[in-house]
Amino acid sequence: EDQVTQSPEALRLQEGESSSLNCSYTVSGLRGLFWYRQDPGKGPEFLFTLYSAGEEKEKERLKATLTKKESFLHITAPKPEDSATYLCAVRGRGSTLGRLYFGRGTQLTVWP
Amino acid sequence: GAVVSQHPSRVICKSGTSVKIECRSLDFQATTMFWYRQFPKQSLMLMATSNEGSKATYEQGVEKDKFLINHASLTLSTLTVTSAHPEDSSFYICSAVSPGLAGNEQFFGPGTRLTVL
Repeated sequence: EDQVTQSPEALRLQEGESSSLNCSYTVSGLRGLFWYRQDPGKGPEFLFTLYSAGEEKEKERLKATLTKKESFLHITAPKPEDSATYLCAVRGRGSTLGRLYFGRGTQLTVWP
Repeated sequence: GAVVSQHPSRVICKSGTSVKIECRSLDFQATTMFWYRQFPKQSLMLMATSNEGSKATYEQGVEKDKFLINHASLTLSTLTVTSAHPEDSSFYICSAVSPGLAGNEQFFGPGTRLTVL
């Protein structure tokens, strides 16, 4: 079965302190690795999709990278408004109707 | 584009009553919609997958008679929690996907907070 493990569970950063979130995955035939941001009491907001090892995507202070076993979400010079839970999900070859397997997320807190 | 709405955003009901939650894709046609529930500080747990015009596919352990799903059109899916009990209190989130839309990403609704007294 496809599996996703995210680490750390929680991360506290001072504003401007860059760091990375990890998403390790096991999947049969990757058909996409997805990053979402979720604010408390809201639905996940789509950030990135990565399809193959070596691929990278950037959006403002966020950069997602992908290897054959894991993905990193790099946060450069974070601001308090970047505080949220970041979810990683994968879709495998055997995924029925496009279902995603989610990790538990990393709760990021950025303090001024 | 790719906006998904849910209604209501929050509902409080008495034990034993039924609650209907609507999920709509506002600017695209969703051939497939997913229903999730999320407990505090936990990730999303897939409950069921629904395709327009066909019966929903439920995940193992999810009672199909308790969580009724109807995907009546390409823009609307409903989840009805029948005879709700306090343990059904949770955050319910739907998502929608359309082949060819933005690489088949799932777009999520804002969620519905259900509290059963």
